[in-house]
Amino acid sequence: GQQLNQSPQSMFIQEGEDVSMNCTSSSIFNTWLWYKQDPGEGPVLLIALYKAGELTSNGRLTAQFGITRKDSFLNISASIPSDVGIYFCAGGSSNTGKLIFGQGTTLQVKP
Amino acid sequence: GAVVSQHPSWVICKSGTSVKIECRSLDFQATTMFWYRQFPKQSLMLMATSNEGSKATYEQGVEKDKFLINHASLTLSTLTVTSAHPEDSSFYICRAGGGLTGELFFGEGSRLTVL
Repeated sequence: GQQLNQSPQSMFIQEGEDVSMNCTSSSIFNTWLWYKQDPGEGPVLLIALYKAGELTSNGRLTAQFGITRKDSFLNISASIPSDVGIYFCAGGSSNTGKLIFGQGTTLQVKP
Repeated sequence: GAVVSQHPSWVICKSGTSVKIECRSLDFQATTMFWYRQFPKQSLMLMATSNEGSKATYEQGVEKDKFLINHASLTLSTLTVTSAHPEDSSFYICRAGGGLTGELFFGEGSRLTVL
């Protein structure tokens, strides 16, 4: 199936550091979403982006919808241990209603 | 609390048996439900899209006769893995909603282990 290119694949950082991850695609999406998934659970929505160029924050999280509509990034500032998990980007198409997921970024935070 | 509930959370079965997984929207009507499969340490892969009252649309490479999807009501969709084999062992997650927005919620997931 189709996938987005998400990077980095994994990160191991010190508590308090900032984190950045991104997704790129060869296809245009109408919506970009960022999720966090804990082991054995379903993904939980962090930020939803609906407009090209849109920059949205949710607490320490900031995400942007790329101007070309083919990319998005997520930043986490001042990381804390509970930020540990797998982060997924997802691109959405209004034509099909489907979400296509990136491969995920595994984040580990050292206290 | 969860607005989309899946049952069972986990199931272990013998090879050759069929397993049914339910996805319920608890406080809203879900005209569309999406079923995903996630192998360990991998991303979510869309299997099929089900619309209430009509046949499901399967993604390329997903066997419709093996993964039976029924969306008989606006609050319930079921995924039945028929004649399950060990390679079907995976985490199955549904996503329910009435349109394309980030507010579409995922279920908690169902982990299937086929011995």
